[in-house]
Amino acid sequence: NAGVTQTPKFQVLKTGQSMTLQCAQDMNHEYMSWYRQDPGMGLRLIHYSVGAGITDQGEVPNGYNVSRSTTEDFPLRLLSAAPSQTSVYFCASSYSTVANYGYTFGSGTRLTVV
Amino acid sequence: GENVEQHPSTLSVQEGDSAVIKCTYSDSASNYFPWYKQELGKGPQLIIDIRSNVGEKKDQRIAVTLNKTAKHFSLHITETQPEDSAVYFCAASMGGNNRLAFGKGNQVVVIP
Repeated sequence: NAGVTQTPKFQVLKTGQSMTLQCAQDMNHEYMSWYRQDPGMGLRLIHYSVGAGITDQGEVPNGYNVSRSTTEDFPLRLLSAAPSQTSVYFCASSYSTVANYGYTFGSGTRLTVV
Repeated sequence: GENVEQHPSTLSVQEGDSAVIKCTYSDSASNYFPWYKQELGKGPQLIIDIRSNVGEKKDQRIAVTLNKTAKHFSLHITETQPEDSAVYFCAASMGGNNRLAFGKGNQVVVIP
């Protein structure tokens, strides 16, 4: 099993450009989420999904959109990139959407907005 | 919402010594407390977790203790090795839907 796969690993964007960060998991996990990691800020939840067709906002959702058309995929879209969105982005998935189980993280996408 | 704080932010230990990282949380309804290890350039990896109905859990050289009354939980690493050098994140469950609030992370450096 590949686990959680994120692409691309690195990306440089110009301010105002849009892009999609891809996340795919092959573990049949219902729960998927996106976090951003900034120095001194830890991991902050952007959006999450408890199943196909269901998404909800985390603590820092502004400037990001998500969709969940299949159980496997959970892409994160930046509509108009801003320098404040320079960060490392992690996708995570989990078996359960109700009980608490550990997350499996992808290896991350390092995004720089200039 | 849940607020999770970690102390200290950086910890240096001699190889073979023990390391302890403490986290505090604010929401008394939190009932699940995992710890993640993040090596340079990689995503966080779950290393141990504990639920609110248990006070302590151990897995080889690592252990986690939970004090629900004081709302804090700690990660203990014994006989530290250079490969234990990493950033460690604690987390606490918040609300439903398996959501987690993470602390800001601790850099642990094991000095050979």
